[in-house]
Amino acid sequence: KQEVTQIPAALSVPEGENLVLNCSFTDSAIYNLQWFRQDPGKGLTSLLLIQSSQREQTSGRLNASLDKSSGRSTLYIAASQPGDSATYLCAGYDKVIFGPGTSLSVIP
Amino acid sequence: GAVVSQHPSRVICKSGTSVKIECRSLDFQATTMFWYRQFPKQSLMLMATSNEGSKATYEQGVEKDKFLINHASLTLSTLTVTSAHPEDSSFYICSARDSSRNTGELFFGEGSRLTVL
Repeated sequence: KQEVTQIPAALSVPEGENLVLNCSFTDSAIYNLQWFRQDPGKGLTSLLLIQSSQREQTSGRLNASLDKSSGRSTLYIAASQPGDSATYLCAGYDKVIFGPGTSLSVIP
Repeated sequence: GAVVSQHPSRVICKSGTSVKIECRSLDFQATTMFWYRQFPKQSLMLMATSNEGSKATYEQGVEKDKFLINHASLTLSTLTVTSAHPEDSSFYICSARDSSRNTGELFFGEGSRLTVL
């Protein structure tokens, strides 16, 4: 059974710091991994999608990598801003299984 | 592009009534949609996979007769919470895959908060 974990569960950093969020999955048979952010009381916004044949994706200050052999993905956020404060979720599929999320707070 | 709309965003109902939540893909077709439930400060729990033109596939522990899912068209899936009770109060979110893309990328609605009195 596929399980997804995320470390850390919560993170508080001062504005401007670079940070890394981690996602681990037990079944390397996933074929895609997607990172999302969720603001309180809202739905999910897709940040990056890494397909099975890819190792990383970049969008602006965000970079996500995928290592299927170790069952890990990382989301790197450069020069964090207060607007980055949200919960970050990773999901692996084809069976859509979400991690528990990392709650990020960026302090001005 | 790739917008998913959910309606209503908030609904309050009395215990024993049924509530329908709609999930629409506005600018793409989706043969597959997913319904999730999210409790406060917890992650999303997949409830069921909605397949256009066929029966939904429910996850273990999810009552089929309680949570009725209909996916009658390529742009609309509905979740009906039947005979709702206070314990059904939750945040329900849908997602959809664009059938024209082969990336498997998921697009999410804004969620529907159900409160059962």
